Amino acid sequence: EAGVVQSPRYKIIEKKQPVAFWCNPISGHNTLYWYLQNLGQGPELLIRYENEEAVDDSQLPKDRFSAERLKGVDSTLKIQPAELGDSAVYLCASSLGVTRNTGELFFGEGSRLTVL
Amino acid sequence: RKEVEQDPGPFNVPEGATVAFNCTYSNSASQSFFWYRQDCRKEPKLLMSVYSSGNEDGRFTAQLNRASQYISLLIRDSKLSDSATYLCVALYNTDKLIFGTGTRLQVFP
Repeated sequence: EAGVVQSPRYKIIEKKQPVAFWCNPISGHNTLYWYLQNLGQGPELLIRYENEEAVDDSQLPKDRFSAERLKGVDSTLKIQPAELGDSAVYLCASSLGVTRNTGELFFGEGSRLTVL
Repeated sequence: RKEVEQDPGPFNVPEGATVAFNCTYSNSASQSFFWYRQDCRKEPKLLMSVYSSGNEDGRFTAQLNRASQYISLLIRDSKLSDSATYLCVALYNTDKLIFGTGTRLQVFP
């Protein structure tokens, strides 16, 4: 069975440019998460979806970040415009859903962003 | 203050050693706890859940102390392959997972 797929794996852009990351969760997983991970830190939640609904986006910097999960399957995270401090790894994860949350999230390999 | 705190390490131990990591959490409403493992430049993966009564999985033992609000992970007979970052995770409100900063372990020959 395929795991969580993310693309691109690496992205280098200049500041003020836009960037988008794509995630395809494990088939059947209703819950999808976007996390940000800085070097030497743990993952920090940006947004959580239950199907196509964003149920927790309190940590998403809405002035420059946006996300969508239009059909309740794959998702896109966008940053526009990117700033130097956005350099990090953007991790997508999926799980079977809130009611069956055993604490196991399945993460993708991440998209490593470098902003110059 | 972070909701989940860990000593970042690194912990450098020889093969065969026993090593323990602690993690503290600030929200007493936290319902469940987990340990994740993250290899260098890889994604985090669930290592084990932490139960109130304590639980063991091979060389790994996890303990929860609700009164003191800390979680521990004990690794016995360390292997080179145990070298990784260990992330402590707390579950709030049945659906919100908060990760600690991680504790880095390096096992040397």
